[in-house]
Amino acid sequence: EVQLVESGGGLVQPGGSLRLSCAASGFTFSTYSMNWVRQAPGKGLEWVSYISSSSSTIYYADSVKGRFTISRDNAKNSLYLQMNSLRDEDTAVYYCAYGGYGYWGQGTLVTVSS
Amino acid sequence: DIQMTQSPSSLSASVGDRVTITCRASQGIRNDLGWYQQKLGKAPKRLIYAASSLQSGVPSRFSGSGSGTEFTLTISSLQPEDFATYYCLQNNSYPRTFGQGTKVEIK
Repeated sequence: EVQLVESGGGLVQPGGSLRLSCAASGFTFSTYSMNWVRQAPGKGLEWVSYISSSSSTIYYADSVKGRFTISRDNAKNSLYLQMNSLRDEDTAVYYCAYGGYGYWGQGTLVTVSS
Repeated sequence: DIQMTQSPSSLSASVGDRVTITCRASQGIRNDLGWYQQKLGKAPKRLIYAASSLQSGVPSRFSGSGSGTEFTLTISSLQPEDFATYYCLQNNSYPRTFGQGTKVEIK
């Protein structure tokens, strides 16, 4: 059974940092590209970042470029999102997704507030 | 960037009704479009991929059509469990973009 389990969310002050993780199981993680998607409270879905299976290709949304870094460890079947210089508008539930966005985790909530 | 314009933003319908939701892309995206259902507090669930292919396990009352710039999600006979918010997603190019969402409510 495919499982994606996000962790690392929490409350952080503006300007702070947080690292999200996504633990994958039930599929050959090293052969799939991965994504982060977020959803602010009461708002729609927003794509955040993409990483190819070998980490050779990475994309970011303009809203996070230069502040967020996506990475993966294929040996640990894990995806990461390092979030720096956090802003109020980064408050959201963050989901990892793969398989052409066919599989999603349950999400982890990040709250940026003083 | 490709803009996805989804309509309507909300609708009220009764059980058994036929419901249609539309997404329009600002430029051609072939059939690189998915439809998602999201219930409150849950992760999105893909219903349709490649514009018209039904995701495994999804009831056949859901169907998708379209290519290029115009896409449609149809629910042929609305069921109580279908009341949710629906989104389209273009996976033709980066940045990926979602439609604004359509909230389907009980009339």
